Amino acid sequence: LAKTTQPISMDSYEGQEVNITCSHNNIATNDYITWYQQFPSQGPRFIIQGYKTKVTNEVASLFIPADRKSSTLSLPRVSLSDTAVYYCLVGDYGGATNKLIFGTGTLLAVQP
Amino acid sequence: DTGVSQDPRHKITKRGQNVTFRCDPISEHNRLYWYRQTLGQGPEFLTYFQNEAQLEKSRLLSDRFSAERPKGSFSTLEIQRTEQGDSAMYLCASSLAGAGRNTEAFFGQGTRLTVV
Repeated sequence: LAKTTQPISMDSYEGQEVNITCSHNNIATNDYITWYQQFPSQGPRFIIQGYKTKVTNEVASLFIPADRKSSTLSLPRVSLSDTAVYYCLVGDYGGATNKLIFGTGTLLAVQP
Repeated sequence: DTGVSQDPRHKITKRGQNVTFRCDPISEHNRLYWYRQTLGQGPEFLTYFQNEAQLEKSRLLSDRFSAERPKGSFSTLEIQRTEQGDSAMYLCASSLAGAGRNTEAFFGQGTRLTVV
């Protein structure tokens, strides 16, 4: 499974765009990139998943360069409620490599 | 279906006692995962099932831990002879997975175990 590296923490202010970058240098051909959000005392919640280029949903955007060795989660106009831990995961979840392996994630603190 | 359900939400037990947790996944999901999470750490993989078959178990998991998914629906995680180091949040997740399909995993609220 591809190992991921992301910043331990980030600070932001309400209304700003936040970009969290994840490195995954040994990503495999069949691997997808998935981001989860976790609030204290809750289970992680799926945010977005992508394979290449750009994916956008109502919550976030995911940018993946051509070499796929990194990805950037973009949260537009964050609010206080976006304060959470964000995890980047890489894997072929539909196939043989099926475990979701979490790192320590990025703690995003949004200030008023 | 309202999502992944875990029971109980909280459990306090004395060291040496056995505990069992239950997870009810989303009904059509064929994969079920168990994770353990301690403060400040990401969820740590314990085991997962494809339907009723337990396909992988973490090497970090001692023999005191056992999980079942007898009919490919709900699952139980039992910890025997609990130790204080077992205190953690135990998370269950389910997904619909198969060849060529990458779908999100849905997590339950977790069971917080405290061993005293």
